[in-house]
Amino acid sequence: DSGVTQTPKHLITATGQRVTLRCSPRSGDLSVYWYQQSLDQGLQFLIQYYNGEERAKGNILERFSAQQFPDLHSELNLSSLELGDSALYFCASSVEGVEGNEQYFGPGTRLTVT
Amino acid sequence: LAKTTQPISMDSYEGQEVNITCSHNNIATNDYITWYQQFPSQGPRFIIQGYKTKVTNEVASLFIPADRKSSTLSLPRVSLSDTAVYYCLVGTDDKIIFGKGTRLHILP
Repeated sequence: DSGVTQTPKHLITATGQRVTLRCSPRSGDLSVYWYQQSLDQGLQFLIQYYNGEERAKGNILERFSAQQFPDLHSELNLSSLELGDSALYFCASSVEGVEGNEQYFGPGTRLTVT
Repeated sequence: LAKTTQPISMDSYEGQEVNITCSHNNIATNDYITWYQQFPSQGPRFIIQGYKTKVTNEVASLFIPADRKSSTLSLPRVSLSDTAVYYCLVGTDDKIIFGKGTRLHILP
């Protein structure tokens, strides 16, 4: 158990809909990262937040947005969903101030768009 | 932004030592080298991280030559449960590229 929690575990929705994925980082971690992993694909970095502020942006679509709240949990909002958005979405957290790239990943949310 | 190159897949047998090499020719001075393991439908798990020379922990060793243009993850005496995808990352946390990783298959 990494200490990172994600809800829900599974989500099935229709095209055109909007969903929100939630992530709680490990206790004490200020950075939260979101990733997308499609079937048989590598992990695609979407976005990173640090202590409530956006720090880095990866391959995140304009239909997607995220935020980190004062209690440090984060939400990833996916709107106008398309079939191709079906994927595993992972959240990870890390300790600020530690050099390198040691992240702790949650169990993921499996999104299925029908 | 450092890009990494790893073998797409590797096979080995139980009890063997497995070495997976990652090339990162344009690694920056401040970059660390980090390895993750991922099982199907699970989030990646941090294995080991290093900056130079050799790092060892309870599950793996990481060898980094002086020029730091490559690194080798060494898994001692692998078991069937080590079958997974292994990712090499180079950089710090403002830009992250996982790549496709190396699919390691351990045979009995």
